Amino acid sequence: DVKVTQSSRYLVKRTGEKVFLECVQDMDHENMFWYRQDPGLGLRLIYFSYDVKMKEKGDIPEGYSVSREKKERFSLILESASTNQTSMYLCASSLWGRWGQRLNTIYFGEGSWLTVV
Amino acid sequence: AQSVTQLGSHVSVSEGALVLLRCNYSSSVPPYLFWYVQYPNQGLQLLLKYTTGATLVKGINGFEAEFKKSETSFHLTKPSAHMSDAAEYFCAVSDLVAQKLVFGQGTRLTINP
Repeated sequence: DVKVTQSSRYLVKRTGEKVFLECVQDMDHENMFWYRQDPGLGLRLIYFSYDVKMKEKGDIPEGYSVSREKKERFSLILESASTNQTSMYLCASSLWGRWGQRLNTIYFGEGSWLTVV
Repeated sequence: AQSVTQLGSHVSVSEGALVLLRCNYSSSVPPYLFWYVQYPNQGLQLLLKYTTGATLVKGINGFEAEFKKSETSFHLTKPSAHMSDAAEYFCAVSDLVAQKLVFGQGTRLTINP
């Protein structure tokens, strides 16, 4: 089975702290994603990556950055945490899709609950 | 741009009753459509997906959804609700190349005994 692991399930950080959320997948997937989940808003894409050292902004990248130094690991970074970044963060991964190929299933981790006080 | 609207943030049904969760989408390219379920304190689990071919898609746990292009809809149904179906359900749309999911707002399903 594909496994997407988010190492920290629950975090409490102070305003202004630098926060790292780590995600590791074990199926050699090219694509990795970070989503943020808020009540009434569903999931919104923060950043995604197609390959090592590649990254692209999603719909809500402000206040976040990412790092992908190894294929299996995708880190989300909050340079200076703020209270409006209190949320559930979900990491996901999938195989790279090419024209004519079947759409590949996207697998999600269990989420990281971040509270910024 | 793609978007998804889920009608009803909360749906409550009795155990054994029909479950109907509504999803409408907007897409300028042929859409790929998904339903995901999220149980409390867990990540998202894929229920079913539509890519091409048969418009009635069967998924896990007795759920199914029908792609209706003329109505731009992809509603999720289950003939008989179980208590274990209580969860939050998300409809999502994607394209083949980027494979970025765009989600609806979610519908919380409550099952009454």
